[in-house]
Amino acid sequence: DGGITQSPKYLFRKEGQNVTLSCEQNLNHDAMYWYRQDPGQGLRLIYYSQIVNDFQKGDIAEGYSVSREKKESFPLTVTSAQKNPTAFYLCASSPRDRGVDTQYFGPGTRLTVL
Amino acid sequence: EDQVTQSPEALRLQEGESSSLNCSYTVSGLRGLFWYRQDPGKGPEFLFTLYSAGEEKEKERLKATLTKKESFLHITAPKPEDSATYLCAASPSNTGKLIFGQGTTLQVKP
Repeated sequence: DGGITQSPKYLFRKEGQNVTLSCEQNLNHDAMYWYRQDPGQGLRLIYYSQIVNDFQKGDIAEGYSVSREKKESFPLTVTSAQKNPTAFYLCASSPRDRGVDTQYFGPGTRLTVL
Repeated sequence: EDQVTQSPEALRLQEGESSSLNCSYTVSGLRGLFWYRQDPGKGPEFLFTLYSAGEEKEKERLKATLTKKESFLHITAPKPEDSATYLCAASPSNTGKLIFGQGTTLQVKP
């Protein structure tokens, strides 16, 4: 059963802590993405990776870090430098095959800073 | 600057009352226009991709159309289960990225 999984579904963090959000896909997609969603706002791109061992900053990368050591995995770390991390985080992947850019999303992780 | 704007922000319909959602875009070299459905607390679910002006795609009660400046999502005889937020996104040329609008939250009352 192919798809994108994100864990955990809910995450609580104390101020000053780093936390890592997991994203795994078994769709054999080359590209993976991280978005942040706040109430009443569209999805904003944090980081994206089009190939293993390479990634680029999106529009709001400050306070976040990523790695892409395996094709199927793209973890996101929310660092203590992120001033307002409470949000809904979405991971997506795309085949990038013949220019097709359709992105498919995981179920999301809701992060709350206590 | 690449930009996607959706209207209205919220829409309330009676069951069976057809309507349209609008997505206006300003994107350099559009590669594709995407529609997603998002239920509360869940990830967006892919609905359609449109690639060129004049293209139309249908799925059940939904029909998406594309012009050179905007896209419409037409909902025919909606049911309460169509209630969700509908997101529009555009892909500028050679970026691999999507630019999302803020979404339209649709509520269909029985």
